[in-house]
Amino acid sequence: QVQLQESGPGLVKPWETLSLTCAVSGGSISDSKWWSWVRQPPGKGLEWIGDISHGDNNYKPSLRSRLTMSVDRSKNQFSLRLNSVTAADTAVYYCARWRKYGRPDDYYMDVWGKGTTVTVSS
Amino acid sequence: QSVLTQPPSVSGAPGQRVTLPCTGSSSNLGAGNDVHWYQQLPGAAPKLLIYGYTFRPSGVSDRFSGSRSATSASLAITGLQAEDEADYYCQAYDKVSGWLFGGGTKLTVL
Repeated sequence: QVQLQESGPGLVKPWETLSLTCAVSGGSISDSKWWSWVRQPPGKGLEWIGDISHGDNNYKPSLRSRLTMSVDRSKNQFSLRLNSVTAADTAVYYCARWRKYGRPDDYYMDVWGKGTTVTVSS
Repeated sequence: QSVLTQPPSVSGAPGQRVTLPCTGSSSNLGAGNDVHWYQQLPGAAPKLLIYGYTFRPSGVSDRFSGSRSATSASLAITGLQAEDEADYYCQAYDKVSGWLFGGGTKLTVL
């Protein structure tokens, strides 16, 4: 059974770069086409950040200019980099797997990591 | 701006049936995109509850069911139990904004 585990610094200074990794275990990252990042600010709802595939990506428009995602098949993991962070980027960050069903573009998130807390503060 | 609208809170007594609505627009649900529902227990990661409006993954109780209309969806929970107290989020793809989550509904079991 596939499991996901987020890792990265818990504290990032304003205007620096937030870097997180999601390790995939119990299966190959190549077995699924799309992987995703979702965040949740303290006391607020879920916010989709973006998706990464092998050779393609789909980012939230308002984050696109600061966001880079990548896949490392050799390490069976995928990563997120968010530049120029501010306090508004403070959140629990989750990685998730998209599972395909139905029509060609039908996907749902079937596996989630436990989340990692990132605080942006000097 | 494209949004999925959910009521902030819903409550019900044990054993009752509650319905959680999710209202979209022409750029998401009205465009024919499916709705998924996630349950988030306190302090935990979200968990898939319903996908494609009405389909239940293996292992999810049949007390949970989903339905659809033109630009809205609903999650129904029957035989309400204390363990159902959680936040519930709907999700759909929007052709302008990408993937959207609703603001979430906090379910309180009285």
